Amino acid sequence: GQNIDQPTEMTATEGAIVQINCTYQTSGFNGLFWYQQHAGEAPTFLSYNVLDGLEEKGRFSSFLSRSKGYSYLLLKELQMKDSASYLCAVRVYRGSTLGRLYFGRGTQLTVWP
Amino acid sequence: SQTIHQWPATLVQPVGSPLSLECTVEGTSNPNLYWYRQAAGRGLQLLFYSVGIGQISSEVPQNLSASRPQDRQFILSSKKLLLSDSGFYLCAWSVALASRGAFFGQGTRLTVV
Repeated sequence: GQNIDQPTEMTATEGAIVQINCTYQTSGFNGLFWYQQHAGEAPTFLSYNVLDGLEEKGRFSSFLSRSKGYSYLLLKELQMKDSASYLCAVRVYRGSTLGRLYFGRGTQLTVWP
Repeated sequence: SQTIHQWPATLVQPVGSPLSLECTVEGTSNPNLYWYRQAAGRGLQLLFYSVGIGQISSEVPQNLSASRPQDRQFILSSKKLLLSDSGFYLCAWSVALASRGAFFGQGTRLTVV
């Protein structure tokens, strides 16, 4: 199986910066994704990393180190609407198939005013 | 544009009854298709993965089965539901090595009573 670990909960205040970490152990790694999921809704795509380094997209940035099996999602200028669960997911090869996507348990972020 | 339809949105079923959840994708051909389950407060568990018609990979032993009778149709079934089958079921699609990972349907909240 895949071992994908991320903190269960985090809290932060409006306007602050928060970093959500994710570590993984897997074979056949082919990309790491971050998703946002509001309660009772389906996950929505936030970011993608397949090479080492930082990808920036507005208030959200994601970093990947393949040698360390480590990623983080950085959220800046936090807003109340950012309160949600953030899911780290790893895509892997297995056999002759591509594209299996495995998720961590998610980090529930609560933003306080 | 591509869309994914999953129904029903909510379902309450008695223990021992059968289950059929359907998912269809529009606007793309030969997608990878996924069934996930999310228990309360947990991450997404990959149940089934399909790369083509009739090609289904089961990730974990369980009381469920999946079928793909058409290219863009994915069905999750059970002959006899257990209490432990309760959860939030999500269908998703992707194309191999796409940079946005998987796109999710709205999900089905299944409660087995």
